[in-house]
Amino acid sequence: EAQVTQNPRYLITVTGKKLTVTCSQNMNHEYMSWYRQDPGLGLRQIYYSMNVEVTDKGDVPEGYKVSRKEKRNFPLILESPSPNQTSLYFCASSSTTEATEAFFGQGTRLTVV
Amino acid sequence: EDQVTQSPEALRLQEGESSSLNCSYTVSGLRGLFWYRQDPGKGPEFLFTLYSAGEEKEKERLKATLTKKESFLHITAPKPEDSATYLCAVPSTDSWGKLQFGAGTQVVVTP
Repeated sequence: EAQVTQNPRYLITVTGKKLTVTCSQNMNHEYMSWYRQDPGLGLRQIYYSMNVEVTDKGDVPEGYKVSRKEKRNFPLILESPSPNQTSLYFCASSSTTEATEAFFGQGTRLTVV
Repeated sequence: EDQVTQSPEALRLQEGESSSLNCSYTVSGLRGLFWYRQDPGKGPEFLFTLYSAGEEKEKERLKATLTKKESFLHITAPKPEDSATYLCAVPSTDSWGKLQFGAGTQVVVTP
């Protein structure tokens, strides 16, 4: 089954404790992206990657890091999480280098206390 | 600055009561407009891509149309299972990979 898998689905952590949210897709997609979704603000893009070793900033990259060492995985790293990073996070992938017809993961609900 | 604005923010419909959602955009050189559906607690699900003014796409009770400045998602004779948040998005002017999403329209269809 074609899917984008995020882990964990839920996470509660403390301020400053480094964490990684994993994202993996099994469709051999070139394009992957991370978003955060907050009430009243909608989906905002954090980072995207058009291919292996190619990443670029979205609209809200501050406080986040990503890496794309292999095509299927695109982890999101929070080096020093803060409460304002409490949000619902989505990973997405697409079969082209353009961001069309994206498949989204089920989301990771992160709470930073 | 690229902007995507959706209206209304929320829409409550009776089953069978047709309506339209609006997505207006201010990107220059539109390279596609996408519609997604999102159910509570789930990731968005792709519905349509529109590329040029005058283009229309249909799927069951949904029809998306595109003009030079906006797109409409028409819901014809909706059913309760059409209840969801509908999102539109466009690629940014400066990069294909950068997507701008609207805030969404939350649709509730009551029996």
